[in-house]
Amino acid sequence: DVKVTQSSRYLVKRTGEKVFLECVQDMDHENMFWYRQDPGLGLRLIYFSYDVKMKEKGDIPEGYSVSREKKERFSLILESASTNQTSMYLCASRASGLAGRTDTQYFGPGTRLTVL
Amino acid sequence: AQTVTQSQPEMSVQEAETVTLSCTYDTSESDYYLFWYKQPPSRQMILVIRQEAYKQQNATENRFSVNFQKAAKSFSLKISDSQLGDAAMYFCAYSSTGNQFYFGTGTSLTVIP
Repeated sequence: DVKVTQSSRYLVKRTGEKVFLECVQDMDHENMFWYRQDPGLGLRLIYFSYDVKMKEKGDIPEGYSVSREKKERFSLILESASTNQTSMYLCASRASGLAGRTDTQYFGPGTRLTVL
Repeated sequence: AQTVTQSQPEMSVQEAETVTLSCTYDTSESDYYLFWYKQPPSRQMILVIRQEAYKQQNATENRFSVNFQKAAKSFSLKISDSQLGDAAMYFCAYSSTGNQFYFGTGTSLTVIP
């Protein structure tokens, strides 16, 4: 089974802090994603990466950056956390190529971030 | 841009009864994939069922089935013989040739004992 893990289930940070959210997958997937989940808004894509050191902006990249130095690891960085970034953050991975087109995204358990 | 709409923020169903969750989407593509995901309270999001647009036959997975109407761009999920463990947030999602998924806003399903 695919396993996607996230470094923390719950995180509390203060305004202005730099925050790192880590995601690791063990299925050698090329594609990795960071979403933000808010009530009534569903899942919104922040960034995704289709290969090591490659990244693409999603729908809401402002205030975030990402890093993918190794294939299995995708990090989301909040350079200066703000209260409006309090949310649930979900990481996902997906295979690429023909198989990947029909394949699902596999999700991590999520990190609930609170910025005070 | 692709959009996915779930018009039912909340639904409830009696245990052992059947419930249908609605989803519509907008696309100009002819080849795409549709998914239903389940997110139980405080638990990981998991795939429930998927449908390839080129397949006319509706997908089924045990008690879960879909009603895929390509012309109407509709993709509803039917849960038969509802169980307490079916209580969750359900998300409809769309994917095409690119890497991105597009998700609806979710439907919160309550199962009443």
